[in-house]
Amino acid sequence: GDSVTQMEGPVTLSEEAFLTINCTYTATGYPSLFWYVQYPGEGLQLLLKATKADDKGSNKGFEATYRKETTSFHLEKGSVQVSDSAVYFCALRSGNTPLVFGKGTRLSVIA
Amino acid sequence: DTEVTQTPKHLVMGMTNKKSLKCEQHMGHRAMYWYKQKAKKPPELMFVYSYEKLSINESVPSRFSPECPNSSLLNLHLHALQPEDSALYLCASSRLAGGSTDTQYFGPGTRLTVL
Repeated sequence: GDSVTQMEGPVTLSEEAFLTINCTYTATGYPSLFWYVQYPGEGLQLLLKATKADDKGSNKGFEATYRKETTSFHLEKGSVQVSDSAVYFCALRSGNTPLVFGKGTRLSVIA
Repeated sequence: DTEVTQTPKHLVMGMTNKKSLKCEQHMGHRAMYWYKQKAKKPPELMFVYSYEKLSINESVPSRFSPECPNSSLLNLHLHALQPEDSALYLCASSRLAGGSTDTQYFGPGTRLTVL
């Protein structure tokens, strides 16, 4: 079945550091790919998405490019802030199947 | 507006209580979802409603009873829960239940504690 693999956290960075959170997937067909963010005590918010190969999703300084050849959708941000501390979930959806989530990566940004 | 609202925000209940969680969206979405999320885990799908009909039940125990009274509302009725049911319950909606490009929008969740 479909699956998503994310790098294990927690990831701890200093403010203004460069962020990469790796995400790779296995899917039949042509999935759409998503990054969701969950701030402490809150629900999930859509951060960005890409629906076909080579699409780049971007939002709030975060970017991810749908790479079909490497089955990856890595999340990047050039300069993180303390307010970016959260749990980040990579997810995919293929055809009529429900969302498939990765295990989540906890990010802590220290001042 | 991409808002999904959930009430209550927090709920504490005993094992013999009956309570309900409520979810509402006004985006015209025809698919609504219930998820359960334990600490430090991703959300786990419980139920999917499509056009107000239950389309997916992920083998959820009968002490959880979903209801979709209309296209904007989704309820989760709780009865005789166990302490291990304590979790964050998330509601989500999307334009349609099928279609890989549809985005699911999540509510803020209800934090449930079963004593």
